[in-house]
Amino acid sequence: EPEVTQTPSHQVTQMGQEVILRCVPISNHLYFYWYRQILGQKVEFLVSFYNNEISEKSEIFDDQFSVERPDGSNFTLKIRSTKLEDSAMYFCASQSGSYNEQFFGPGTRLTVL
Amino acid sequence: RKEVEQDPGPFNVPEGATVAFNCTYSNSASQSFFWYRQDCRKEPKLLMSVYSSGNEDGRFTAQLNRASQYISLLIRDSKLSDSATYLCVVISGSNYQLIWGAGTKLIIKP
Repeated sequence: EPEVTQTPSHQVTQMGQEVILRCVPISNHLYFYWYRQILGQKVEFLVSFYNNEISEKSEIFDDQFSVERPDGSNFTLKIRSTKLEDSAMYFCASQSGSYNEQFFGPGTRLTVL
Repeated sequence: RKEVEQDPGPFNVPEGATVAFNCTYSNSASQSFFWYRQDCRKEPKLLMSVYSSGNEDGRFTAQLNRASQYISLLIRDSKLSDSATYLCVVISGSNYQLIWGAGTKLIIKP
């Protein structure tokens, strides 16, 4: 069964460093998402991406964040200058159609020291 | 009022019992509805879609009540492995926005 994959599974970085989180969505899906979940808290929407552009973003997704789909398969989230409060689990999800269910990757645990 | 609301719980339920929880939504034009489960430190996983006619998958039954704007999830003969957080998702609006509930925590006790 096709699945969403994410790398790395765990990323440790120093405050102020740039990180890139990578996702490979399900191949025929058209809609892509990033979420984050701080330990013990709810899943929070960051950004949605369709047709090679951002379709929606939350207040969390400020100028420090960017997304790309550079080669038609990978979907990346970049955090330019990480802060301590960026420490969280980051989930990528993909969706085949606008009314359909989302499928999640296993997540990347980001730890900012 | 929040767009999608769930009782955070926790619901503490003995093994073998039946448990049900609801999720209310505010947008009457919402089009699609889903239940996900999330285990601790894992990704949300789709449990079931919720259809207008309701649907059942083994011990799990999902219902949609459009008049009262809620969806429900019923778990029969609960197992220890059903312990998780159950999240509802509603797709609404012309931009097909996905709105996530904060989740209901379920703890099944032996």
